[in-house]
Amino acid sequence: NAGVMQNPRHLVRRRGQEARLRCSPVKGHSHVYWYRQLPEEGLKFMVYLQKENIIDESGMPKERFSAEFPKEGPSILRIQQVVRGDSAAYFCASSLWDSSYLHTEAFFGQGTRLTVV
Amino acid sequence: EDQVTQSPEALRLQEGESSSLNCSYTVSGLRGLFWYRQDPGKGPEFLFTLYSAGEEKEKERLKATLTKKESFLHITAPKPEDSATYLCAVEKEGGATNKLIFGTGTLLAVQP
Repeated sequence: NAGVMQNPRHLVRRRGQEARLRCSPVKGHSHVYWYRQLPEEGLKFMVYLQKENIIDESGMPKERFSAEFPKEGPSILRIQQVVRGDSAAYFCASSLWDSSYLHTEAFFGQGTRLTVV
Repeated sequence: EDQVTQSPEALRLQEGESSSLNCSYTVSGLRGLFWYRQDPGKGPEFLFTLYSAGEEKEKERLKATLTKKESFLHITAPKPEDSATYLCAVEKEGGATNKLIFGTGTLLAVQP
């Protein structure tokens, strides 16, 4: 019974390179969320995706950041031309869809720790 | 502005010494309040969801309560394995599900 799987766990990139973070949700979960945790700060919402759709990207920086959740395969958070300020832990979470809209909690992965040097 | 504030930032307890963590929130309509536990180098682990003032939930040595302005996480007779950072988060009415606003957490250390 695998939980949310994120890889890589640690990623080092030089300034200007691209970072690709992958997230495989819990089997059967169709909703994926990305959060960022900066040092000494709380988790910040970035984006909410369902299969092939971006539902809410209000927390995503307008430039260099993009996310997708294709019909097949993991969700990808992509950061182009990374800068030092992008160094953080990036967490993915997934949840079920409940048609009665009783809340279904989000299960988090172990995170990817991005270091930009 | 929507905000979640947790106190204290850090708490050190002796094993068996009960205490409470506080989470105060200001949001324009609360759909739910969540407590998570986070161990070093790990992702948050879901503990509780509370939906309305007066609601209480328990799990082992933890009990979460909710009022209209704050939530408490009560820890009864803690053990060293309860040491972790405890995160509080809120979900706003009208917002996307699981679009959570997190506090910065309380780092709990329980000494044997």
